Amino acid sequence: GEEVAQTPKHLVRGEGQKAKLYCAPIKGHSYVFWYQQVLKNEFKFLISFQNENVFDETGMPKERFSAKCLPNSPCSLEIQATKLEDSAVYFCASSQSDRAIYGYTFGSGTRLTVV
Amino acid sequence: RKEVEQDPGPFNVPEGATVAFNCTYSNSASQSFFWYRQDCRKEPKLLMSVYSSGNEDGRFTAQLNRASQYISLLIRDSKLSDSATYLCVVNELALTFGSGTRLQVQP
Repeated sequence: GEEVAQTPKHLVRGEGQKAKLYCAPIKGHSYVFWYQQVLKNEFKFLISFQNENVFDETGMPKERFSAKCLPNSPCSLEIQATKLEDSAVYFCASSQSDRAIYGYTFGSGTRLTVV
Repeated sequence: RKEVEQDPGPFNVPEGATVAFNCTYSNSASQSFFWYRQDCRKEPKLLMSVYSSGNEDGRFTAQLNRASQYISLLIRDSKLSDSATYLCVVNELALTFGSGTRLQVQP
């Protein structure tokens, strides 16, 4: 498709529960990026993929967060044992290249609320 | 020091005004620069790329000064619909975002 599709749009989890977010990149885009946006507009880079391979995971919290991009499936971001501070909007973006000469196209995001 | 710094604003301007936003970045090896616009916590949307020679798109003009590591965005003849948060974005290994500058255009 011509848009980055993220599901679900909203997700509410109790502390300690698991959360799983999905992202289908634009067809033909081989790079996928995950960002976390908390209050004050701070965008935090989490992880990127080139096809199904991790390209850069320097932003990923080492414990509770994991992500995958498998062939013929949406990419996923999973948070084990959610904490209150995980509440944020999680944006996925895709691009034809890592150099982002033309910028990335973002999905509409998943708003995660941990209560 | 943050990698990309912006004045958070808000900038409150009347319709028709000219407003300028500035941004500085810390990594001199950065190669691509953008301005994104974000409305009410929706997804950021690319407004324009920023080139060393400067570039213009209608009422919007972007400038890049590599020596000073400084990027600017000028909006002329502001419209109510320009009200949004403007994000300065620099490409390193991934896009690095500034914290955004809030613009409110008033009637």
